[in-house]
Amino acid sequence: DARVTQTPRHKVTEMGQEVTMRCQPILGHNTVFWYRQTMMQGLELLAYFRNRAPLDDSGMPKDRFSAEMPDATLATLKIQPSEPRDSAVYFCASGPKGGAADTQYFGPGTRLTVL
Amino acid sequence: QKEVEQNSGPLSVPEGAIASLNCTYSDRGSQSFFWYRQYSGKSPELIMFIYSNGDKEDGRFTAQLNKASQYVSLLIRDSQPSDSATYLCAVPPRGYMEYGNKLVFGAGTILRVKS
Repeated sequence: DARVTQTPRHKVTEMGQEVTMRCQPILGHNTVFWYRQTMMQGLELLAYFRNRAPLDDSGMPKDRFSAEMPDATLATLKIQPSEPRDSAVYFCASGPKGGAADTQYFGPGTRLTVL
Repeated sequence: QKEVEQNSGPLSVPEGAIASLNCTYSDRGSQSFFWYRQYSGKSPELIMFIYSNGDKEDGRFTAQLNKASQYVSLLIRDSQPSDSATYLCAVPPRGYMEYGNKLVFGAGTILRVKS
């Protein structure tokens, strides 16, 4: 059963600390998305990769957030320095090439709390 | 106008009834439409998707498209308490025709099925 995996599942940190979240997309998927979900804003797209190349990070605060795909099996989202307003659930999703290419499959999420 | 709009609900239906969830979209040229289900504390799960060429049925779920009025519906027949969740509608953003599109998500409709 192919699934998107994310680590850590929960993270509590103090303001100013660096946070790194990791995602392993489904094998063979060539698109990777990072989302943030809060009660107030809903699901927001932060960044989007295809074939490891960043295509769109317009939704991401550039001064503190960065997203990378070091290889096809790993995507990372970093926040440095973290702030209390970054507290949210961060989801990674991956999508296949070919077929229904718009479909996205979500990982379990990382619940981030910044104190 | 938001690209995708949903009534936040909650929509309450008795067990066994048909639940009807609607989503309006702003881009008349939209070609694909997605429905995700999200249980509390979990990640969005793809239920079904349709293209602009027709409706689709999958078990108890039916997705219907009304192009003239620019809305897509999700019908859940024989609703069960286990269907209680938030249902998110998603559409590729306006003008984004590239293969492997990103999606714009609505805020979601909370469905409660009462036993």
